[in-house]
Amino acid sequence: DAGVIQSPRHEVTEMGQEVTLRCKPISGHDYLFWYRQTMMRGLELLIYFNNNVPIDDSGMPEDRFSAKMPNASFSTLKIQPSEPRDSAVYFCASSLSRGRTDTQYFGPGTRLTVL
Amino acid sequence: GESVGLHLPTLSVQEGDNSIINCAYSNSASDYFIWYKQESGKGPQFIIDIRSNMDKRQGQRVTVLLNKTVKHLSLQIAATQPGDSAVYFCAENGGSQGNLIFGKGTKLSVKP
Repeated sequence: DAGVIQSPRHEVTEMGQEVTLRCKPISGHDYLFWYRQTMMRGLELLIYFNNNVPIDDSGMPEDRFSAKMPNASFSTLKIQPSEPRDSAVYFCASSLSRGRTDTQYFGPGTRLTVL
Repeated sequence: GESVGLHLPTLSVQEGDNSIINCAYSNSASDYFIWYKQESGKGPQFIIDIRSNMDKRQGQRVTVLLNKTVKHLSLQIAATQPGDSAVYFCAENGGSQGNLIFGKGTKLSVKP
């Protein structure tokens, strides 16, 4: 079984450039989550979707961040323009429900470096 | 690379010994808890979970203990192996309508 798939695995870009991160959740999962992980702040929830609809985006740091889920098998997280402080590992996770009875399964992450 | 930040608590154990990793959770309304293992360069991986109507749950070589009175969660790993070396996170659900809240993590280092 393929787990959560993320691409690219590594991204190096320059400040001011647009960055798009991609995620394919596990087939049949209704929930999709985007997290950011840094040494300073640990794992932070940015946004999550239920049945392709954004439910809670209160964790999105600012308007430079946006996320979409055009269908059940694909989601993107976009940063425009990117800044050095956005450097982190970004994880996508999916679950059958919102964690009460089903756990979240994480992808391998995208390591973003903004120079 | 990543900026300098807080150092993770580290637990160093000898191969073959038992390991106990502790976690204090914050929300008394949390009723579902998960332990994740994160190896270097990988995403968090589910290990074991427990609901608040239980105080102990066992898996293969792992046991999770829940003490709701003091809001404490622990993960016990029996006969620790080098492959167990990783960062371990506890997570709580913040109540039935909550999102998962992750702890800062504990780094487990297994000495051969």
